[in-house]
Amino acid sequence: GNSVTQMEGPVTLSEEAFLTINCTYTATGYPSLFWYVQYPGEGLQLLLKATKADDKGSNKGFEATYRKETTSFHLEKGSVQVSDSAVYFCALRSNTGNQFYFGTGTSLTVIP
Amino acid sequence: ETGVTQTPRHLVMGMTNKKSLKCEQHLGHNAMYWYKQSAKKPLELMFVYNFKEQTENNSVPSRFSPECPNSSHLFLHLHTLQPEDSALYLCASSGNGATNEKLFFGSGTQLSVL
Repeated sequence: GNSVTQMEGPVTLSEEAFLTINCTYTATGYPSLFWYVQYPGEGLQLLLKATKADDKGSNKGFEATYRKETTSFHLEKGSVQVSDSAVYFCALRSNTGNQFYFGTGTSLTVIP
Repeated sequence: ETGVTQTPRHLVMGMTNKKSLKCEQHLGHNAMYWYKQSAKKPLELMFVYNFKEQTENNSVPSRFSPECPNSSHLFLHLHTLQPEDSALYLCASSGNGATNEKLFFGSGTQLSVL
């Protein structure tokens, strides 16, 4: 079956620290992989995506590389800002339909 | 603004009440979804509609009843809910095909069942 496992939070970092949020997946076939972000009081928004092995998705200084050999899609940012405080969700979309599978979400708080 | 609008934003209801959640999208998408977001749990897919036809029902209790009258509107009818149904209910939509595979989410309805 399809599933996503991401590191549990909450994560608290100082401004300008390096961020890694781990995500691994189980999937049949060749899924697309996503990171979504949820700011307080809002729905989820797409942050970045990768559709095939070795692709790197990037946006707003965040990056994640689709690693088929380790079934991972870890999110990284070199220098976080207070405005990055949010909940981050790793997700996959199977290539056989319209199903999206999400992880539990990781809450990030960045302090000045 | 994602193009997906949910109402109401907040809802408090008793276990004997009947209420409905509404979702509307004007993005021209053909697929619409209901998700349940509870603390410390993965986002739970509840229902999927594709071209107004239900294509997924993830073993959701019958006290949740979806309705999709057209590709732009999606409802979730609620009756005799339990306190453990309190959660954030998110609606989402997506297009079809490789170029339209991301989900667009509404802001959600925060539901409290007393």
